[in-house]
Formats: sequence, structure tokens, C-alpha cells
Amino acid sequence: GAVVSQHPSRVICKSGTSVKIECRSLDFQATTMFWYRQFPKQSLMLMATSNEGSKATYEQGVEKDKFLINHASLTLSTLTVTSAHPEDSSFYICSASRQFQGDQPQHFGDGTRLSIL
Amino acid sequence: LAKTTQPISMDSYEGQEVNITCSHNNIATNDYITWYQQFPSQGPRFIIQGYKTKVTNEVASLFIPADRKSSTLSLPRVSLSDTAVYYCLVGDGSNTGKLIFGQGTTLQVKP
Repeated sequence: GAVVSQHPSRVICKSGTSVKIECRSLDFQATTMFWYRQFPKQSLMLMATSNEGSKATYEQGVEKDKFLINHASLTLSTLTVTSAHPEDSSFYICSASRQFQGDQPQHFGDGTRLSIL
Repeated sequence: LAKTTQPISMDSYEGQEVNITCSHNNIATNDYITWYQQFPSQGPRFIIQGYKTKVTNEVASLFIPADRKSSTLSLPRVSLSDTAVYYCLVGDGSNTGKLIFGQGTTLQVKP
């Protein structure tokens, strides 16, 4: 079945550091990937839609200069949290689907736990 | 955007059948209904997807009435390992592929 891999699974770093998270579709090509953020005991919140070869589409309230998204190939999207601060600490999850249609479910990575000290 | 409503929490015992119902009154014609399971500190895991009537796979069944304004996830004979949060999602109706998560249902299975 479809597999989506995220790396790293956990990051602990100092305030002001920029952190890059990778999302890979391992056995299929994904022209579109999605990035979510999840705070403790809350649901997933969609941050942005990552489009291969073009700019990402950000949800309202998400700072595009803070959360840089690059989708350079059909199997890789990266999310960079720039100049991270403690309030950026969260669980970041990506997803992708084989096709851009409703009958192809999205598959999710196992998430990246980001902790900013 | 289609909005889903689910019970916040449910309790069950091992071996019982669990039915979780989701309301999606504004579902669009081209939307599919998808259910995911999430354990703590893991990404959501796909359970089942359907468009109408009934869908069954090796882990669950999904019942969708003719008007498609609701759906019911049925988990047969749950075990302790089924304790998780279950999310019901429908597409956003604009064919962009976006999924907007509701609060989900926290299922607690007791021995």
C-alpha cells in the first residue's frame, strides 16, 4: 500500500533555529502533499497545500514566511520552520495521495515532534 | 467546506461492536467519506472510505444512507488496541483534495 515517510520523527532545538522536515511518498508520485499541525489533545489543523513545481497554498492565519514549503519533486516535500520559537512547538504531519481525486485516500506520515527550548 | 460532527467520546468493552456515527449535512456530490484512526504521537491511519451504501474491509464497515448526510463506522469485536481517536472526513467539495479535520471521537475500550 501507499506509504508516506517523514523525517525526522523528533527534533529538539534552541529558540531561533530553523528546522527542516521532510515528507516523502515512498511508492507513488504525489503532485500534491499537505502539511498539518497538531497541538496536544487537539485535532489536526491544515497548514498548507504543497504543489510540485509551484508555490504552496497556505491556509488563513498561517505565515508563509514562517513556514517555508518546497515541493521540488514528485516524491518529496519539505517544511522549514524558520527562526523557531517555543510557540512553534507542535506535532507536524504531512499527507499525500496517489491522485488528486476523492476516491484516492490520503495517507499520512508518522509525524514530527518539534520541541523548541 | 463540508463540516463533520461526531460524538466527542465513546466507551466500549472488549469484544463488543462499536458504531460511530458522523453527520455531514453539507456533503458535496463529488465528496467521498473517509475514516481515519489516530494513536497518540502517530499520524492518522486510513481505515475505510466510501461514497454510498455499504463498504466493508478486513477491519471495519462503513454504512452510508441514500442521502449521504451521515455515515456510520462499525468496528466489529473491538480490542484494547482499538483505543484511539477516530476521524470522519469528507472532501471540501472543490476537488482540491483538502481534508478538514473535525474534533474526532475518542474511543476508550475497556477490559
